[in-house]
Amino acid sequence: SQTIHQWPATLVQPVGSPLSLECTVEGTSNPNLYWYRQAAGRGLQLLFYSVGIGQISSEVPQNLSASRPQDRQFILSSKKLLLSDSGFYLCAWDRSGTDTQYFGPGTRLTVL
Amino acid sequence: QKEVEQNSGPLSVPEGAIASLNCTYSDRGSQSFFWYRQYSGKSPELIMFIYSNGDKEDGRFTAQLNKASQYVSLLIRDSQPSDSATYLCAVNRYPNNAGNMLTFGGGTRLMVKP
Repeated sequence: SQTIHQWPATLVQPVGSPLSLECTVEGTSNPNLYWYRQAAGRGLQLLFYSVGIGQISSEVPQNLSASRPQDRQFILSSKKLLLSDSGFYLCAWDRSGTDTQYFGPGTRLTVL
Repeated sequence: QKEVEQNSGPLSVPEGAIASLNCTYSDRGSQSFFWYRQYSGKSPELIMFIYSNGDKEDGRFTAQLNKASQYVSLLIRDSQPSDSATYLCAVNRYPNNAGNMLTFGGGTRLMVKP
């Protein structure tokens, strides 16, 4: 069976600090990977998606970036966090050729 | 107009009743439709997906799709307090092998009272 991991689970960072969130998927190969953000009381916003190693598509211009250094690893980064970056960051995956997405446990980020 | 719209609720139903959650979408070409359940502080969990007009049943859950009217609904029979959560509707406009960009509604908060 497939499992998706995210870490850290929670993070409190000062404004202007860097960010690195990691997502890994087990039990499948060549998954499509996605980063979403859910701000407090709001819906899910797709940030980035990747269909393969080194292939990143951005949906929303911002101070965040994503990378996929390995087949089942997806990283979300920022060089300088803003207050507006606070939120619940969710990684998701689906199998190529399907569109049923499954979410990881999420990382709750608070920027102070 | 939002692409995927849901009543934010809360929708309050008594235990044992049928809960009816609705979602409308704006893009008539949308192909795939999903319902996720999200407990407070947790990540969304896939409940059902539906691709064709009509009803799809899975246990106590029934998804209904009407592409002509551009709405999808979720019925929960014999509602339990454990069903209390926010239900997210998601739509995939362009299913393909180059990634699937789901558009989510804001969610409907369901409260099932004992």
